[in-house]
Amino acid sequence: EPEVTQTPSHQVTQMGQEVILRCVPISNHLYFYWYRQILGQKVEFLVSFYNNEISEKSEIFDDQFSVERPDGSNFTLKIRSTKLEDSAMYFCASSEQDIYNGSPLHFGNGTRLTVT
Amino acid sequence: DAKTTQPPSMDCAEGRAANLPCNHSTISGNEYVYWYRQIHSQGPQYIIHGLKNNETNEMASLIITEDRKSSTLILPHATLRDTAVYYCNLLYYGGSQGNLIFGKGTKLSVKP
Repeated sequence: EPEVTQTPSHQVTQMGQEVILRCVPISNHLYFYWYRQILGQKVEFLVSFYNNEISEKSEIFDDQFSVERPDGSNFTLKIRSTKLEDSAMYFCASSEQDIYNGSPLHFGNGTRLTVT
Repeated sequence: DAKTTQPPSMDCAEGRAANLPCNHSTISGNEYVYWYRQIHSQGPQYIIHGLKNNETNEMASLIITEDRKSSTLILPHATLRDTAVYYCNLLYYGGSQGNLIFGKGTKLSVKP
């Protein structure tokens, strides 16, 4: 069964450094998402992306964050200058159609980001 | 945003059916109910979704009340591997693309 893959599985970085989290969505999917989960807390929506542009973003997704689909297969999340509070699991997800039309999101297994 | 209410935790004996309830009294007319689960710190795993009719797949059954204000996820023969946090999700739709809103979910413990 096709799946969403994320790399790396664990990333350690120093405060103030830039990180890029990578995702390969399921190949025929058109809608892409990033979520995060701080340890012990809820899964939180960050951003959704369709047709090469951001569709929705949450309050968490400030100017430090950006997303890109640099080629036909990858979907990346960049954090420009990491803060300690950015430490979390970051999940990428994709869906074939808009979830509002009954197309479920499929999630990767996440990248654990640790900012020291 | 429409909200869901789930019990924080439930226990179930291995081999028995697990029935996980969810209240979503503010659901709008054309809004799907999605169920996901999260095993340990893995990514949320899609289970099932429905609009008005009951649904069944290889993982579970979903029963939605006629007024659509609540639903029940049924795992017919729970195994130890079904121990997870189960989320009943509604959507946030800002006008251009829907996305899932996760609550705190129900922590299901399947015991031998």
